[in-house]
Parts: sequence; structure tokens; C-alpha cells
Amino acid sequence: EAGVVQSPRYKIIEKKQPVAFWCNPISGHNTLYWYRQNLGQGPELLIRYENEEAVDDSQLPKDRFSAERLKGVDSTLKIQPAELGDSAVYLCASSRRQGVYTEAFFGQGTRLTVV
Amino acid sequence: KNQVEQSPQSLIILEGKNCTLQCNYTVSPFSNLRWYKQDTGRGPVSLTIMTFSENTKSNGRYTATLDADTKQSSLHITASQLSDSASYICVVHMDSNYQLIWGAGTKLIIKP
Repeated sequence: EAGVVQSPRYKIIEKKQPVAFWCNPISGHNTLYWYRQNLGQGPELLIRYENEEAVDDSQLPKDRFSAERLKGVDSTLKIQPAELGDSAVYLCASSRRQGVYTEAFFGQGTRLTVV
Repeated sequence: KNQVEQSPQSLIILEGKNCTLQCNYTVSPFSNLRWYKQDTGRGPVSLTIMTFSENTKSNGRYTATLDADTKQSSLHITASQLSDSASYICVVHMDSNYQLIWGAGTKLIIKP
């Protein structure tokens, strides 16, 4: 079974530029998560999808961040315009369904550097 | 406030030695507690999941304990190997809204 695939692995952009990250979850996984992880900290949830519906986006900075999950499969996360403080690793994860024993599987992440 | 605190922040031990990582939480309502291992440059990988009624669970050389009364958990690593060098993150799953509360992790370095 293929894991969660993210691209690109690394991205360096100048501040005020737009950037987009792509995630392909594990086949059959209904739930998809986007996390942001700063150095030395645990992941912080940005948005959670159940199929194509965003069910938890309370931590997503909506003034500059947007996300979509087309047809309930692949997802993209966009930042426009990027700020220096957005430098972090952006992790995508997926799971079969929500429940007590739900295990989320993570991709390798996209390391974003804003200069 | 729902929080997960881990200690120590970082730890260096010699290969072959044992170590114990600590996790304290103030999360309610509690559903389960998970330990993840995160290698540098990779996403977290689940090691163990424990519910309220489970007080110990093993996964190879990793043994997690949970005391739901004191809201404490520990992860014990036996006979450490160089490949154990990673960050270990404690995560508490809330019962009400499927929200995961993440700790900051303990960075473990195994030296030969």
C-alpha cells in the first residue's frame, strides 16, 4: 500500500509570493489533515477534511491560507501571500475514518522557507 | 486549557542503554493517548495507542504506560539503538470532537 505522498519536498520562496502544496492520501482514506510543524514543536492542525468537506478549519489563517480537496481525494494547501513566519514543515496525513482507534498516516512533509 | 507537556525536551544516551520519556496532560474529555516517533525530515509514525482502561502497551523495545488518574504517560525504550534517534511525540485524543492535542516532543539522540 502506497503511503501519503506530498510534493514538493522543499520550497524556497520570497515573502509576498504565493505557494501551493499538494497531497495524495492513502487510497480509501476518507479523512485528510493538513498540519504545520515549527522546529522543535509538535504538529499544529490547520484543517481536517471528511471526504470533500472541511469539518475543522478553526486554526486555518483564512486571510492568507486556503485549502481544497477535489472529489474527496487529493488536496492542495495554498498560501498567498507568504510571510516570513510561514516558514515551517507542512504535513499531510490521512486516516480511514474518525473513531477512537483511528490512526493517521503522515506524508514526509513539505519544508517551506520564506526569505 | 487542554495541554500536553513532555519532558525532557532533549536527551542524549549511549547505545544499548535504556531511557524513559515522560508525558503529562490536562486534556478532557480523554479518549486515548498515542506516542509517535518522528525521524528527522519525515512525518510522525505511530508507536502505541492506549485507551483509558489500558495502563501498558508494548511495541518491540518500546513500552508505553498510562496512569489516567494522574494523567501521566511514559515511553520506555529498552536497549537503545542508533536508529532510535528521533523525536518522540505524545498526543492525546479528545473524546468530544476527535481533536488531537500534540506535545512538543522529546528529541532523543543515541550515541555509539
